[in-house]
Amino acid sequence: EDKVVQSPLSLVVHEGDTVTLNCSYEVTNFRSLLWYKQEKKAPTFLFMLTSSGIEKKSGRLSSILDKKELFSILNITATQTGDSAVYLCAGRSGATNKLIFGTGTLLAVQP
Amino acid sequence: NAGVTQTPKFQVLKTGQSMTLQCAQDMNHNSMYWYRQDPGMGLRLIYYSASEGTTDKGEVPNGYNVSRLNKREFSLRLESAAPSQTSVYFCASRKTGTENTEAFFGQGTRLTVV
Repeated sequence: EDKVVQSPLSLVVHEGDTVTLNCSYEVTNFRSLLWYKQEKKAPTFLFMLTSSGIEKKSGRLSSILDKKELFSILNITATQTGDSAVYLCAGRSGATNKLIFGTGTLLAVQP
Repeated sequence: NAGVTQTPKFQVLKTGQSMTLQCAQDMNHNSMYWYRQDPGMGLRLIYYSASEGTTDKGEVPNGYNVSRLNKREFSLRLESAAPSQTSVYFCASRKTGTENTEAFFGQGTRLTVV
């Protein structure tokens, strides 16, 4: 059965800290891993990763995929209160086109 | 650009009532998905439709049915609502083909079953 596991489940940091969020996956015929940010409404897309070792970067956020060890990390540097959200990762199966999400990591950034 | 539109945004049902959640996308996407989100549970896949004319069960399909009415619309039906189905429901769509693409989400439907 396909599954995606995220850790930690929740995290509290102070502004300026750097955080690393983890996502491991077991997905049949894996095609891509996606990261989303959710702030009280619909998830918004951050990154899609398909190849190992190639870092995707957007401002203070970056992400990388390891297809051998079946995991991805999302890094946020110099955190701000606006980064407070639930961060979701999802694995897509090429066999079925299923998109399976993890439970998410709730990040709280305190001033 | 409308993107993915879900209706209604809020709904309260009594146990045993039925209702249909509507989802429509205007991006000409092939794949559509229904998820439910409960506190601490992330997004759990209820049903999905890889293309027009096909539907498949996800992780938590019991108590639900779906219809892929056409390429644009994918509805979720609760035949006999139960309190355990109180949740926030999200519809998503994705372009499929040779390239990898992200999924786009609707704004969600908050359903309460009393």
